[in-house]
Amino acid sequence: GENVEQHPSTLSVQEGDSAVIKCTYSDSASNYFPWYKQELGKRPQLIIDIRSNVGEKKDQRIAVTLNKTAKHFSLHITETQPEDSAVYFCAPISYNAGNMLTFGGGTRLMVKP
Amino acid sequence: EPEVTQTPSHQVTQMGQEVILRCVPISNHLYFYWYRQILGQKVEFLVSFYNNEISEKSEIFDDQFSVERPDGSNFTLKIRSTKLEDSAMYFCASNSGGPLGEQFFGPGTRLTVL
Repeated sequence: GENVEQHPSTLSVQEGDSAVIKCTYSDSASNYFPWYKQELGKRPQLIIDIRSNVGEKKDQRIAVTLNKTAKHFSLHITETQPEDSAVYFCAPISYNAGNMLTFGGGTRLMVKP
Repeated sequence: EPEVTQTPSHQVTQMGQEVILRCVPISNHLYFYWYRQILGQKVEFLVSFYNNEISEKSEIFDDQFSVERPDGSNFTLKIRSTKLEDSAMYFCASNSGGPLGEQFFGPGTRLTVL
């Protein structure tokens, strides 16, 4: 099955700084790459996703970049704000492995005011 | 905006008891999922359901688990004989467009097995 790893596991930044979280996956047939944000005690919510035919996608302060050759994709948050503090999960889907999300271990982002 | 709903929000049960967790997916969605999250850990896939049958299931989804869509709106997860290690948050999710579409998560049911 798909093996998904995220780095770092925790990330602390000053408000206004940028944050980058990297996700590596093992299945070369993966073709959908979402990032979910989970606040304490809440449901995971999709913040951005990218498909395998695109290298980069941006939505205001959030961007995702994909390197299919190296099998990794990254979440970029610019001008971080305290409300960005949460746990972020990558969860690629592999065409070979069915239509389930395979979550990484999560990255706890703390934005200090 | 339509949302996935789940009931109850918190369920406490004794070990060995049966529990049924309920979900109402978004009305025009066709694909349904159950995931679980043990406290402080990552979200894990349990099962996916499409066209009134299971399409995928994980190793976690053993014979103690079953899913059902008893009517046009509800989607249930049954755990036949709960164990202590079943204590977790259970999330239902749905999507409309197949595997490459956004999965919308419900608020979760916190299951506590004593």
